Amino acid sequence: DTTVKQNPRYKLARVGKPVNLICSQTMNHDTMYWYQKKPNQAPKLLLFYYDKILNREADTFEKFQSSRPNNSFCSLYIGSAGLEYSAMYLCASSPGTGYEQYFGPGTRLTVL
Amino acid sequence: AQSVTQPDARVTVSEGASLQLRCKYSSSVTPYLFWYVQYPRQGLQLLLKYYSGDPVVQGVNGFEAEFSKSNSSFHLRKASVHWSDSAVYFCAVSSPYGGSGNKLIFGTGTLLSVKP
Repeated sequence: DTTVKQNPRYKLARVGKPVNLICSQTMNHDTMYWYQKKPNQAPKLLLFYYDKILNREADTFEKFQSSRPNNSFCSLYIGSAGLEYSAMYLCASSPGTGYEQYFGPGTRLTVL
Repeated sequence: AQSVTQPDARVTVSEGASLQLRCKYSSSVTPYLFWYVQYPRQGLQLLLKYYSGDPVVQGVNGFEAEFSKSNSSFHLRKASVHWSDSAVYFCAVSSPYGGSGNKLIFGTGTLLSVKP
């Protein structure tokens, strides 16, 4: 089973309000990723957990937070949503960095 | 640094025709290579992967890809497309050396439209 689940599938948020997205996987993968995907663009890596170690991309370092309370779950937290955060957010997991990643169905975030 | 180029932003083919989507990579070492597909309003699905060995790899739904070290390419092919293959296809690479800093580098994608 290569299932990655994401909740919610759709999220409507107000400008300035916080947003929390959830991801889970049952494959016992040690690495979990969060991407931002906008139309006609490549997925943009925001951050990833390698086991318990959080790695955040330099250009999104202050905009996104994450937690991984156990191997199966990972969250993405936006402290204050802006209009530019409207996008699809994709969670993925892999059996190790560099190997194939398995993606969830995504959460479509709309910020108004 | 690694990079991926998908030179065709959009490809249109007729149903039943053959397909090739192009992918060129830049890397100082032979990378791991992947093709993903994104259907409308869905996440990315892994089509196939290449780590080493036979340069022609088979994937799901009749897709295959061929790795060429001399051309730094990993083109995706299908012998006969179906209308349901209409989607965005992403090529991606990663380093074979692993480590906490390793990650997938994606191309910008190719939108495939299959005409009935």
